[in-house]
Amino acid sequence: DIVMTQSPDSLTVSLGERATINCKSNQSVLYSSNNKNYLAWYQQNPGQPPKLLIYWASTRESGVPDRFSGSGSGTDFTLTISSLQAEDVAVYYCQQYYSTPPTFGQGTKVEIK
Amino acid sequence: QVQLQESGPGLVKPSQTLSLTCTVSGGSISSGTYYWSWIRQPAGKGLEWIGRMYTNGNTNYNPSLKSRVTISGDTSKNQFSLKLSSVTAADTAVYYCAREMATISYAFDIWGQGTMVTASS
Repeated sequence: DIVMTQSPDSLTVSLGERATINCKSNQSVLYSSNNKNYLAWYQQNPGQPPKLLIYWASTRESGVPDRFSGSGSGTDFTLTISSLQAEDVAVYYCQQYYSTPPTFGQGTKVEIK
Repeated sequence: QVQLQESGPGLVKPSQTLSLTCTVSGGSISSGTYYWSWIRQPAGKGLEWIGRMYTNGNTNYNPSLKSRVTISGDTSKNQFSLKLSSVTAADTAVYYCAREMATISYAFDIWGQGTMVTASS
C-alpha cells in the first residue's frame, strides 16, 4: 500500500492568512504515460462526509472557491488556502488513487487563531 | 443530482456480519463512468477504503479486509451493499458509500452522509 503522510497534524491560522498543508507519499503517484498525479484533497467538517476539493493534484472540483489550490508532483504535494475564511475550519485529507487500495493521509486539522 | 444514502443496523454483535446498503438516486449504478466504493472512519480517526464495485459486478477489496468483505450490487433497486463478517470492536466506525469518477479522475466525488455502526454485545 502507498503510505500518505500529512504535515502538520494541526494548523492554527489567522483569518485572511494563508494556510499550507503538506502531503507526502512513500512512492510516486505520477503516472508517466499521461503525466498526471493521482492525488486528491478533501475537506471534512464535523459530522459530515468528506468533500472533494481537488483532483489530479491541482484541478479544483466544480464549485470549490479559488482560494483553494493544489500543487506538487511525484511524492510531494501541497494544499494551500490563500486567505483563510471561518468556514474553512475543518480537517483536510490527501488521498492517492494511483494504486489499489486507495489510501488517505491521517488528516490535518485547520483552526482559526 | 446524484445522491447516496447508507442504511442498515447501527449495532452488530461481535463475530456477526455487518450488512449495509447504499441507495443511489439521481443516477444509475450501471453507468460505466463510475465505480462504487465503501469507506469507513473510526471516531476521531482517518479514512480507510474497504472496497469497490465496478459496473460489471467485479470487485476490488482492501487486502487488510479482503477475507471478510463482500460488495455486491442490485441494479433493479439501484443499490450496492457491503457485508463484513466476523466483526470485532475494531470495526466500529462511520461507514460511507462513495462514487468514484472513473473517466474524469478516480477521486471520490460524491459521498453518502455516513452511518455509524457499533460492534458490541
